Amino acid sequence: GAGVSQTPSNKVTEKGKYVELRCDPISGHTALYWYRQSLGQGPEFLIYFQGTGAADDSGLPNDRFFAVRPEGSVSTLKIQRTERGDSAVYLCASSITGGSAGELFFGEGSRLTVL
Amino acid sequence: LAKTTQPISMDSYEGQEVNITCSHNNIATNDYITWYQQFPSQGPRFIIQGYKTKVTNEVASLFIPADRKSSTLSLPRVSLSDTAVYYCLDTDKLIFGTGTRLQVFP
Repeated sequence: GAGVSQTPSNKVTEKGKYVELRCDPISGHTALYWYRQSLGQGPEFLIYFQGTGAADDSGLPNDRFFAVRPEGSVSTLKIQRTERGDSAVYLCASSITGGSAGELFFGEGSRLTVL
Repeated sequence: LAKTTQPISMDSYEGQEVNITCSHNNIATNDYITWYQQFPSQGPRFIIQGYKTKVTNEVASLFIPADRKSSTLSLPRVSLSDTAVYYCLDTDKLIFGTGTRLQVFP
């Protein structure tokens, strides 16, 4: 597809369960970003990949959150032992090269609800 | 931690010009300022980006003063479809503010 694709679009899980959210960036984009957005708030930065490596993971809230991008394309955000406070829309974005001057292309997001 | 500050909300009427200002007091020398638009249930969408002075594209203008501690997004002749949340982003820090909710009335 032409844009950033995120799956699933909706995920409902129970407290304590493990969740994986997938992001398929625009082909050829080396930079990939994860954000999460709670209702009425701006997107909150989680992690930024440049190629396969995490260039900045300072936004991951705790060690229950982990993200990988093993081949420098698709990325998976993994959340262990989910809590109700993890409920949010998880947004993925990609850009051609990353860095300060660059447009981020966002997906539609994955809405996570933890019961 | 760098942070941007914007008004929480603004109201306008169709056909008016809307100016939304963002302050970014801690912007670094090499940082760009980028503005995004977000509709409900969608990801943010790029509007415009600048480093200094004025940038204009087909949808907006961006004014950045010499000290670069603020920027103003200008939307000419807004329509109902411009009702959305507008965010300025400190591009280097990848931090979004809480955004400005623009409501356009007929």
